[in-house]
Amino acid sequence: DAGVIQSPRHEVTEMGQEVTLRCKPISGHNSLFWYRQTMMRGLELLIYFNNNVPIDDSGMPEDRFSAKMPNASFSTLKIQPSEPRDSAVYFCASSLMGLNQPQHFGDGTRLSIL
Amino acid sequence: RKEVEQDPGPFNVPEGATVAFNCTYSNSASQSFFWYRQDCRKEPKLLMSVYSSGNEDGRFTAQLNRASQYISLLIRDSKLSDSATYLCVVGASGTYKYIFGTGTRLKVLA
Repeated sequence: DAGVIQSPRHEVTEMGQEVTLRCKPISGHNSLFWYRQTMMRGLELLIYFNNNVPIDDSGMPEDRFSAKMPNASFSTLKIQPSEPRDSAVYFCASSLMGLNQPQHFGDGTRLSIL
Repeated sequence: RKEVEQDPGPFNVPEGATVAFNCTYSNSASQSFFWYRQDCRKEPKLLMSVYSSGNEDGRFTAQLNRASQYISLLIRDSKLSDSATYLCVVGASGTYKYIFGTGTRLKVLA
């Protein structure tokens, strides 16, 4: 079975550019999560969706970050304009909705903003 | 106080040793608990869920102590391949948010 699929795997771009990260959750999962991981701050939840609806975006750093989930099989995380401090690994995870449901992570997107 | 706290380590142990990690959490109403494993430059992967009565999966044993608000992971007969960072995960009460600890790094030495 296919796991969570993220693209691109790596992204290097100059500050000020728009960055779009993509995620395809596991088929049948109805919760989707975007995380950011850095050495200093560890794994931080940015936003999560239940049934394609954003439930909690309190972790989104600022207005430069936005996320959408137009359907059950696709989500995007966009940064516009990007800044060097956005450099991190961004993970998407999905799960069945409910207590005690483990999250399954994609391979991540390693983002470098120059 | 952080919501989920772990000793960052590293724990350096010889092959075959038994090693245990603890993780404390601050929200007494938390209901979901997991251990994840993360290898260098890889994604976190589910190692095991943690059940109230404790549970075992091969060489791995997880325990939950609600009174003291901690979970533990015991690894018996450590293998070189067990070298990784182990993340404690706690489900926030009333939501489906999971809070990840910063991880405990384990190095198993030959």
